[in-house]
Amino acid sequence: EAQVTQNPRYLITVTGKKLTVTCSQNMNHEYMSWYRQDPGLGLRQIYYSMNVEVTDKGDVPEGYKVSRKEKRNFPLILESPSPNQTSLYFCASSFIGDPIETQYFGPGTRLLVL
Amino acid sequence: DQQVKQNSPSLSVQEGRISILNCDYTNSMFDYFLWYKKYPAEGPTFLISISSIKDKNEDGRFTVFLNKSAKHLSLHIVPSQPGDSAVYFCAASEGNRDDKIIFGKGTRLHILP
Repeated sequence: EAQVTQNPRYLITVTGKKLTVTCSQNMNHEYMSWYRQDPGLGLRQIYYSMNVEVTDKGDVPEGYKVSRKEKRNFPLILESPSPNQTSLYFCASSFIGDPIETQYFGPGTRLLVL
Repeated sequence: DQQVKQNSPSLSVQEGRISILNCDYTNSMFDYFLWYKKYPAEGPTFLISISSIKDKNEDGRFTVFLNKSAKHLSLHIVPSQPGDSAVYFCAASEGNRDDKIIFGKGTRLHILP
């Protein structure tokens, strides 16, 4: 089954404690992306990657890092989480050049930073 | 500055009636528009799209209308069903194969029995 998986689905942490949210897709997609969803703000893009070792900033990259060492994985790293990073995070993937409605979204990771 | 605006945070509609969700955009470079549906604890799923060369696209109970001069689009759901209760996101892109999607804030639709 074609899917985007995220782990963990729920996470409570404290300010300053490094964490990683994993994203994996099994569709051999080149393009992967991270969004955050906040009440009243919709989904905003954090980082994206066009292929292995190619990453770029989205609209709200501050406080986040990503890596793309393998095609299937695109982890989101919070080196020193802060309460304003409490949010719902979505990973997405697609083939470059395919219609954008074919972009698959993961189920989301709800993060609470105390 | 918000490029895609959904000014109604929520909407309640009686089952069987028409649901109309509205969306405005400011960026003239947008030429492809999408609606996504999102249930709790799930990621957004694509619902329907429209290219700027069209003013209407229909798929079953869902129709999207685009008024390019007004920079406005709307999603009509007829008839509304209980399973339509969800958050709906309007989104836009500068091309139907451009991976950059700009989302609106979302509108929560409640279908009342």
